[in-house]
Amino acid sequence: EAAVTQSPRNKVAVTGGKVTLSCNQTNNHNNMYWYRQDTGHGLRLIHYSYGAGSTEKGDIPDGYKASRPSQENFSLILELATPSQTSVYFCASGGDRGLDAEQFFGPGTRLTVL
Amino acid sequence: GMPVEQNPPALSLYEGADSGLRCNFSTTMKSVQWFQQNHRGRLITLFYLAQGTKENGRLKSTFNSKERYSTLHIKDAQLEDSGTYFCAAATSSGQKLVFGQGTILKVYL
Repeated sequence: EAAVTQSPRNKVAVTGGKVTLSCNQTNNHNNMYWYRQDTGHGLRLIHYSYGAGSTEKGDIPDGYKASRPSQENFSLILELATPSQTSVYFCASGGDRGLDAEQFFGPGTRLTVL
Repeated sequence: GMPVEQNPPALSLYEGADSGLRCNFSTTMKSVQWFQQNHRGRLITLFYLAQGTKENGRLKSTFNSKERYSTLHIKDAQLEDSGTYFCAAATSSGQKLVFGQGTILKVYL
């Protein structure tokens, strides 16, 4: 069954540590996205990708890097985690028409930075 | 102002009632998606519209790009409809998806 999966589902990290959040999709979509969700802000776009090897900055990219090594996998990297990055992170995959395409979301990763 | 304004912020309905949610856009949008976020935090896609109206069971959504709004109508509300509903719209350049702040829906017996 086509799906978007994320790992880990929960993560506790220390300030200054490196965190990698992983996303895998079996939808055969070219486009993938990383969002964070905080109370009062809805979902906000961090990074996105139009295909393997490409990454683009979203609305709030500072403090985050992204990596798209293959069609199926898209990672979000926090090189130096800070408490302000405590949030729920969602990955999504979409169609071939850029951000105009329907997006399908993973279950989310809850990250706590102490 | 906010590019996507979603109303109401919260909504309480008795089971069996009908109601609607609305998103207004500050600029012309190319498409809109509606999501339900359930109690486990999972985002479920309800509709994707580039124009017009779609229906799915007790749900109906309309997107009017020219008038800059979209609506989600819930008919005969059920307990399992409870959750947070989000609209998200793609800007005219197609390069950005902007979410509304969400509507918290609670359905009571």
